[in-house]
Amino acid sequence: DAGVIQSPRHEVTEMGQEVTLRCKPISGHDYLFWYRQTMMRGLELLIYFNNNVPIDDSGMPEDRFSAKMPNASFSTLKIQPSEPRDSAVYFCASSPRMFDTDTQYFGPGTRLTVL
Amino acid sequence: ELKVEQNPLFLSMQEGKNYTIYCNYSTTSDRLYWYRQDPGKSLESLFVLLSNGAVKQEGRLMASLDTKARLSTLHITAAVHDLSATYFCAVDMEAQGGSEKLVFGKGTKLTVNP
Repeated sequence: DAGVIQSPRHEVTEMGQEVTLRCKPISGHDYLFWYRQTMMRGLELLIYFNNNVPIDDSGMPEDRFSAKMPNASFSTLKIQPSEPRDSAVYFCASSPRMFDTDTQYFGPGTRLTVL
Repeated sequence: ELKVEQNPLFLSMQEGKNYTIYCNYSTTSDRLYWYRQDPGKSLESLFVLLSNGAVKQEGRLMASLDTKARLSTLHITAAVHDLSATYFCAVDMEAQGGSEKLVFGKGTKLTVNP
């Protein structure tokens, strides 16, 4: 398997623009997670899905952030409008079961810079 | 709210030396995970500890879990330069609606010097 795939790998945009991050989980994994990593706040869970249904979105910072999972092989995280404080690395992760013995498999991340 | 604290946050050590990284957490949990992250890279799963007293070893790294003390350790034996990375522990906690999620520590940045 190719692992978790994320695109784009790098994104530079200007404040106020819409940003869409994409993720393809490992085939057969029922859980998909979106994380954000910054120096100041470390690694934070934003939202996760089980069988395409959002389960916990308490980590989504504000209404500017939204996430969807239209099918088992694709998820998006959208920021509209973007702000400089959204600059971070965004990771997508998937797992076959919740807290499986193999835990979560992380994608390569998207490095977002908002100018 | 669950807090996961790692110490030290920065560790510089010489090759061949031994050291331990500590992960303390604030509420009851039976599951703890260790990850490694190389600079500019993603997180790689190292160990999964699923019960009190669990011990896992891989090469020069050994992880253990004491759920009663709410403490996990990552012990490094005879460090080599290739172990230089940031190490994260993560603990599962109950979240809203009865769901669960992982809470990560801030990470320990390890530098192994020749």
